[in-house]
Amino acid sequence: EAQVTQNPRYLITVTGKKLTVTCSQNMNHEYMSWYRQDPGLGLRQIYYSMNVEVTDKGDVPEGYKVSRKEKRNFPLILESPSPNQTSLYFCASSPGFIGVEQYFGPGTRLTVT
Amino acid sequence: EDQVTQSPEALRLQEGESSSLNCSYTVSGLRGLFWYRQDPGKGPEFLFTLYSAGEEKEKERLKATLTKKESFLHITAPKPEDSATYLCAVQAHRGSTLGRLYFGRGTQLTVWP
Repeated sequence: EAQVTQNPRYLITVTGKKLTVTCSQNMNHEYMSWYRQDPGLGLRQIYYSMNVEVTDKGDVPEGYKVSRKEKRNFPLILESPSPNQTSLYFCASSPGFIGVEQYFGPGTRLTVT
Repeated sequence: EDQVTQSPEALRLQEGESSSLNCSYTVSGLRGLFWYRQDPGKGPEFLFTLYSAGEEKEKERLKATLTKKESFLHITAPKPEDSATYLCAVQAHRGSTLGRLYFGRGTQLTVWP
């Protein structure tokens, strides 16, 4: 089944404890992206990658890191999480990066205390 | 600055009562405008892509249209299962940020029997 998977789905952590949210797609898509969704603010793009080893900042990259060493994986790293990073995170992928629809993962709900 | 504004924020319709959702955008050179549907607790699901003014796309009870400044999602004779949040996103033509997507805050649609 073609899909985007994220792990973990739920995570409660403490301020400053490094964490990684994994994202994997099995559709051989070139483009992958991370978003956070907050009430009243909608979906905001954190980072995106147009291909292996190519990553770029989105609207809200501060406090996050990403890497794209393989085509299928695009992990999101929070080196020192803070409470304002409590949010619902979505990973997405698409077969291209120009005018092409994205396929979203199921989301990761992160709480930082 | 690129912006996407959706209205209304929330809409309640009786089953069978047709209406339209609006997405207005300011972007220097539109590459594509996207409509997504999001159910509670799930990732957005792609509905339509529109590329140029005058273009229309249809799927079941939904029809998306595009002008130079806005897009409409028309819902004809909605059913309770159409209840969801509808998201609009735009992609700009700029070469350095082709991978950027800008989302509106969404319209929460409730259709009651």
